Amino acid sequence: AQKITQTQPGMFVQEKEAVTLDCTYDTSDQSYGLFWYKQPSSGEMIFLIYQGSYDEQNATEGRYSLNFQKARKSANLVISASQLGDSAMYFCAMRDLEDDKIIFGKGTRLHILP
Amino acid sequence: SQTIHQWPATLVQPVGSPLSLECTVEGTSNPNLYWYRQAAGRGLQLLFYSVGIGQISSEVPQNLSASRPQDRQFILSSKKLLLSDSGFYLCAWTVESGAGELFFGEGSRLTVL
Repeated sequence: AQKITQTQPGMFVQEKEAVTLDCTYDTSDQSYGLFWYKQPSSGEMIFLIYQGSYDEQNATEGRYSLNFQKARKSANLVISASQLGDSAMYFCAMRDLEDDKIIFGKGTRLHILP
Repeated sequence: SQTIHQWPATLVQPVGSPLSLECTVEGTSNPNLYWYRQAAGRGLQLLFYSVGIGQISSEVPQNLSASRPQDRQFILSSKKLLLSDSGFYLCAWTVESGAGELFFGEGSRLTVL
């Protein structure tokens, strides 16, 4: 069965420091996609970054990068130069590209300290 | 451009009452549709997803059901709500196949008393 694991329930980071949010996944499928979403206190879900299982290069979007290690089944999110506005809940998700099922991890609550 | 709407935004219901949450997508055809539930401060639990009209995959056997009567409409229902049904319900869509982000609605906050 597919599973997403985020082992950090909460993190406190000083402003301007880099942050790594951990995500490991379990699937027997060869074709899948990995996402990261940000959820501020307002509840909206904000898409950050996507990585396909066949993509050889790590995805990057501005200050966000996805450290994809396929053999270890990990897809960590790296936020460079953190800002106060980065304080939010962060979710890792996986899409099975064969049946289109999309599951999420339990999330990591990130607090950026001034 | 594509948009997704879900309603109602907020709902307070007594235990044992029925439920209907609706979700509509505009500007695309044959989307994949998803219902998630988020308990307070917790992760997103996949409840149902649909890859086409009348095709519903259920992930959690409980007192909820879903229907897709039209291509871009997804409905979450219950005949009798439980206290444990309280939470934040999110509808989402994505393109029918391949890579692509999941687009979320504004969410519906349900409180069962």
